Amino acid sequence: EAQVTQNPRYLITVTGKKLTVTCSQNMNHEYMSWYRQDPGLGLRQIYYSMNVEVTDKGDVPEGYKVSRKEKRNFPLILESPSPNQTSLYFCASSPYPGGDQPQHFGDGTRLSIL
Amino acid sequence: AQSVTQLGSHVSVSEGALVLLRCNYSSSVPPYLFWYVQYPNQGLQLLLKYTSVATLVKGINGFEAEFKKSETSFQLTKPSAHMSDAAEYFCAVSGYNNNDMRFGAGTRLTVKP
Repeated sequence: EAQVTQNPRYLITVTGKKLTVTCSQNMNHEYMSWYRQDPGLGLRQIYYSMNVEVTDKGDVPEGYKVSRKEKRNFPLILESPSPNQTSLYFCASSPYPGGDQPQHFGDGTRLSIL
Repeated sequence: AQSVTQLGSHVSVSEGALVLLRCNYSSSVPPYLFWYVQYPNQGLQLLLKYTSVATLVKGINGFEAEFKKSETSFQLTKPSAHMSDAAEYFCAVSGYNNNDMRFGAGTRLTVKP
């Protein structure tokens, strides 16, 4: 089954404790991205990747890092999480970076930073 | 740059009634437009997309959307609401590249029996 898989689905942690949210897609997609969803703000892009070893900042990149060493994986790293990063996070992918390509979304990761 | 405004954060309809969700966009280039649906505890799923082929676009689950360039709108409709349509709906606009994609704030649809 074609899918985008995120782990963990839920995480409660404390300020300053490094964490990684993994994202993997099995569709051989070139383009991958991370979003955060906050009430009343919709989805805002954190980082995106056009292909392996090609990543760039989205609209809200502060406090986050990413890497794309393999085509299928695009982990999101919070080096020193803070309470304002409490949010619902989504990983998404599309076959290539064209604007006409709909994105396939994972089921989300709900992070709570205390 | 692209941006999206969804009119109405909450919409409530009775089962069997017309569903109408409004979206206005701003784009510096010919836009690609999308409607996504999000059910509780799930990611976004594509309902339909507009890619400049036809102004009336049909999607899944009986939804359709009309692109009106003069009004910069992309309105989502369904003639008869079903209880299973209760969800949050997001309009999105994209330019030449996917990293240009911008989402609206979402509209939560409630369907009353």
